[in-house]
Amino acid sequence: QKEVEQDPGPLSVPEGAIVSLNCTYSNSAFQYFMWYRQYSRKGPELLMYTYSSGNKEDGRFTAQVDKSSKYISLFIRDSQPSDSATYLCAMSHNAGNMLTFGGGTRLMVKP
Amino acid sequence: GAVVSQHPSWVICKSGTSVKIECRSLDFQATTMFWYRQFPKQSLMLMATSNEGSKATYEQGVEKDKFLINHASLTLSTLTVTSAHPEDSSFYICSARDLRLAGGPGDTQYFGPGTRLTVL
Repeated sequence: QKEVEQDPGPLSVPEGAIVSLNCTYSNSAFQYFMWYRQYSRKGPELLMYTYSSGNKEDGRFTAQVDKSSKYISLFIRDSQPSDSATYLCAMSHNAGNMLTFGGGTRLMVKP
Repeated sequence: GAVVSQHPSWVICKSGTSVKIECRSLDFQATTMFWYRQFPKQSLMLMATSNEGSKATYEQGVEKDKFLINHASLTLSTLTVTSAHPEDSSFYICSARDLRLAGGPGDTQYFGPGTRLTVL
């Protein structure tokens, strides 16, 4: 069993839909949780950064962390075709140090 | 802030030759940089952690003599793929931690745009 599980998709939604992306993990020592967006043939771009449990909102993006369930989510409201990318969840024990990635979910937003 | 660049963005080489990839932190100093490789439709796989002024720490299964890492300054780390073979063809990505953000929101790794290596 992988430390971090993420549905690979692809997830196809119409423009304007609410998208829900999720990861589950097994190591309760993870304290820092990130979501990265990666366009094809590009490096990952940090979208959301969360410490411990709770919610964080930034524009159309909301990240949720439920440490009791070892479950994190990224919600995208009013999805746009430009949101089409692979979304990687990542987590670490200590800030800035070794990241453990999920396998990535490929999202396609159709106009 | 926290911009990381890589050079070249893509490279094609013949089997048996060596290729050097540069990773630079453009607007900050990075004592630690990380090197990853990524195969198509797969996630990032950490190869090594590069520490300024000291030897890199390699992940299990990564050949240190084949993937030479040098972190000679606080803004530059290089990865040299020696005697490259077709199976080394991959997308290589570096990342760095911005110490200016240490302890605050955003204290994580920031990634370069990647280098696509094709070995013929």
